[in-house]
This record gives sequence, C-alpha cells and structure tokens, in this order.
Amino acid sequence: DVKVTQSSRYLVKRTGEKVFLECVQDMDHENMFWYRQDPGLGLRLIYFSYDVKMKEKGDIPEGYSVSREKKERFSLILESASTNQTSMYLCASSLWGSTSSYEQYFGPGTRLTVT
Amino acid sequence: LAKTTQPISMDSYEGQEVNITCSHNNIATNDYITWYQQFPSQGPRFIIQGYKTKVTNEVASLFIPADRKSSTLSLPRVSLSDTAVYYCLVGDKGRRDYKLSFGAGTTVTVRA
Repeated sequence: DVKVTQSSRYLVKRTGEKVFLECVQDMDHENMFWYRQDPGLGLRLIYFSYDVKMKEKGDIPEGYSVSREKKERFSLILESASTNQTSMYLCASSLWGSTSSYEQYFGPGTRLTVT
Repeated sequence: LAKTTQPISMDSYEGQEVNITCSHNNIATNDYITWYQQFPSQGPRFIIQGYKTKVTNEVASLFIPADRKSSTLSLPRVSLSDTAVYYCLVGDKGRRDYKLSFGAGTTVTVRA
C-alpha cells in the first residue's frame, strides 16, 4: 500500500528556532512536494523536487528551504521560525511521467504552531 | 498555470447527485484536469483526472466539454461520508518540473 509518512503530527516551536519537517515515501516516486494549508487559502505549494538534490520553488518559498539527499526523503526547513508560519504542512509524492504525474499521494500532515 | 474557479461551497442531501463545475478559461493544450478530495485532518486524495469528454471511475465522473474551458465533477448518490473539500486542478503533465496549484476548493456538505 502506498505510504507517505511525516515525522510529527503536531509540533510546537518558539519564534526564531530552526525547524525540520521530515517526509518519507516508500513508493520509489521521483517527485516530492511540500505544501502548507491555511483556512480559506487552500493548499499552497512551497517547494517541490523531481530528483535527488533537485529542488524548485513553488508559490510561497520565502522563509523556507528544502533538502533531498535521498530519493525517499524530502525535508522542509524553517531557518528561523516565525508566528506567520503556524500552519498545517503537507508532504506529497508522485511518479513522474504520463498521467500518473497528476496523482499525488499525501501524508497525514504536521500541524506546526510557532509561539 | 491555468487559473481555476469553483464554487466555495455546496449543500446536498444523502442520495442526491452532486455536480461541481470548475472554470478554467485559460487551459492550455497540454493541460490535464484533476480532482482531489480532502476530509478534515487528512491530506488530499486523488479522485479522477481527464483530458476531454467523459471519464468515470468507481468514485466519480468527470465531464469535459469540447472547448475544455470548464469541467464538472459528478458524485452520484452522495452519503454523509462524502462531506469534504473538493479541489479542481489544471496542469501540464508534459513538463518534468510541472506542478499543480490547489485553490481554495469547494466545501461539499451532505446532510441526512
């Protein structure tokens, strides 16, 4: 069965802390994505990666960075957390190529609170 | 990326058919149309995708007219468990660095 896991379901951090959110998929997918979801705004793409060590900015990359050292793992980094980064963070993965590219598999999400 | 417009919310009753129309006037030749469903406290789940005419699976049907400027997701005989947010997305599958953009979605509430 398809599986995308995220390191934490809930996380509370202080302003200025460095925060790491980890995502692992076991489907050998090429593409991985990080989104944030806020009420009334839907999902917004932060970064995505279509290969190891490759990354592309999404719609709202400011304040975030990512790392993809292995195919199955995609990390989201908040260098200095701020209160406006309090949100639900969702990781997803997909195969590349053909119509399967559109079928993204999502993890359960991490609800991050920055105080 | 083609911008999509869909209703913010829709109400229905159990057993009815729900049709959600998504407008995508600037859809490009290589763009596919994809719909996702999201339940509270869960990540979105892929429902269906199509390029033109009609696509049907065990969950829903997708109707796309010839001009492809809109599409309609049809949920037959909904139940309470179909209460969710439904997202319409348009994207080019041909690019390796493709990405999908989720809008605010349509909140469908099914009542008994």
